Amino acid sequence: GAVVSQHPSWVICKSGTSVKIECRSLDFQATTMFWYRQFPKQSLMLMATSNEGSKATYEQGVEKDKFLINHASLTLSTLTVTSAHPEDSSFYICSATRDSGTMETQYFGPGTRLLVL
Amino acid sequence: GENVEQHPSTLSVQEGDSAVIKCTYSDSASNYFPWYKQELGKGPQLIIDIRSNVGEKKDQRIAVTLNKTAKHFSLHITETQPEDSAVYFCAAKGPSGSARQLTFGSGTQLTVLP
Repeated sequence: GAVVSQHPSWVICKSGTSVKIECRSLDFQATTMFWYRQFPKQSLMLMATSNEGSKATYEQGVEKDKFLINHASLTLSTLTVTSAHPEDSSFYICSATRDSGTMETQYFGPGTRLLVL
Repeated sequence: GENVEQHPSTLSVQEGDSAVIKCTYSDSASNYFPWYKQELGKGPQLIIDIRSNVGEKKDQRIAVTLNKTAKHFSLHITETQPEDSAVYFCAAKGPSGSARQLTFGSGTQLTVLP
């Protein structure tokens, strides 16, 4: 299957600082990337949809000024958690869509665990 | 929008037995149904998917069936092994060009007992 990487895999930061998470599709160009958040023992919660060269589309209840998304190229999207607080601690997972004409397949990265102290 | 329900939430089976996880969806326009396996601390891994133009797909010990009329699809794992223990998520998505994101089920914690 296709490979999606995330960096860093885990990060610990102080409250009030900003954290940037990178998502890369390694062996294909991703028309669309998605950012999810997952709490323990729960399903994935979509935060935003990221399209290369355009503004991200945020889900209801997700603050776009707090979770900044930049999709600079067809292989890279970044999520920046600004002024992080302990309640932002979570498992953040990106995914990338590989488009094969009429078929789209979504592949996930390994996730980034964020702990805000 | 789409709504996907998944059950059971937990499933324990003896090694070598079969495991079945079922999902129902609400949007009849959905035409793509992937299954993901998520191990502890890792991202979801696509294990099999099915599109609405077929009723069944098999890959070694894993199979997925789709009933479009009833709007449900199921994951079947045969000859289960301890390494199959993980959380499994089903998902549904509409045609390309419509809502681009997957709608996930709530997940099933599968435990294979040795």
